[in-house]
Amino acid sequence: DGGITQSPKYLFRKEGQNVTLSCEQNLNHDAMYWYRQDPGQGLRLIYYSQIVNDFQKGDIAEGYSVSREKKESFPLTVTSAQKNPTAFYLCASSIARGNGYTFGSGTRLTVV
Amino acid sequence: GIQVEQSPPDLILQEGANSTLRCNFSDSVNNLQWFHQNPWGQLINLFYIPSGTKQNGRLSATTVATERYSLLYISSSQTTDSGVYFCAVAFSGNTPLVFGKGTRLSVIA
Repeated sequence: DGGITQSPKYLFRKEGQNVTLSCEQNLNHDAMYWYRQDPGQGLRLIYYSQIVNDFQKGDIAEGYSVSREKKESFPLTVTSAQKNPTAFYLCASSIARGNGYTFGSGTRLTVV
Repeated sequence: GIQVEQSPPDLILQEGANSTLRCNFSDSVNNLQWFHQNPWGQLINLFYIPSGTKQNGRLSATTVATERYSLLYISSSQTTDSGVYFCAVAFSGNTPLVFGKGTRLSVIA
């Protein structure tokens, strides 16, 4: 079945560590997105990519980095520069025109 | 940037009741989508509806683009309808969706 897979579901990070969240899709979608969700809040855009080897910053890109070396994959690295990384991270994909986003099941990141 | 306001923020319904959720946006859009987030965090796309009316079972949505609002109707609500409903918009198909803060719906038996 086609879909979008995020891993891991839960991730614990020590202060000062970088961690990478995985996002893989087999929907043949061109565009991929990373959003952050804090309790009781909507989703805020971190980064997005519309084609391989190209990506743009969203509203809250500071402290995060991404790569898009393959159409299917869009990993997100949460760096030690991100001051408050504890949140729920959601990856999505869509066709180039952007209608009909498909979301992964999310990764809950906790700093310990 | 574009602003998205959803109302009400919270809604509690008895099973079988109907409800209307509203989404106002601050500028012209040509991409508007409604999502349901279940209690486990999974987001499901309900409608792609930049204008007009669509129906899918007990759910329907209407967007009046010229007046910058969209409505999501839920009829004969069930406990499985509980969760958070998000409206999200974009200026064009090439710009990412901007999300509202959502309406949290609780349906009680």
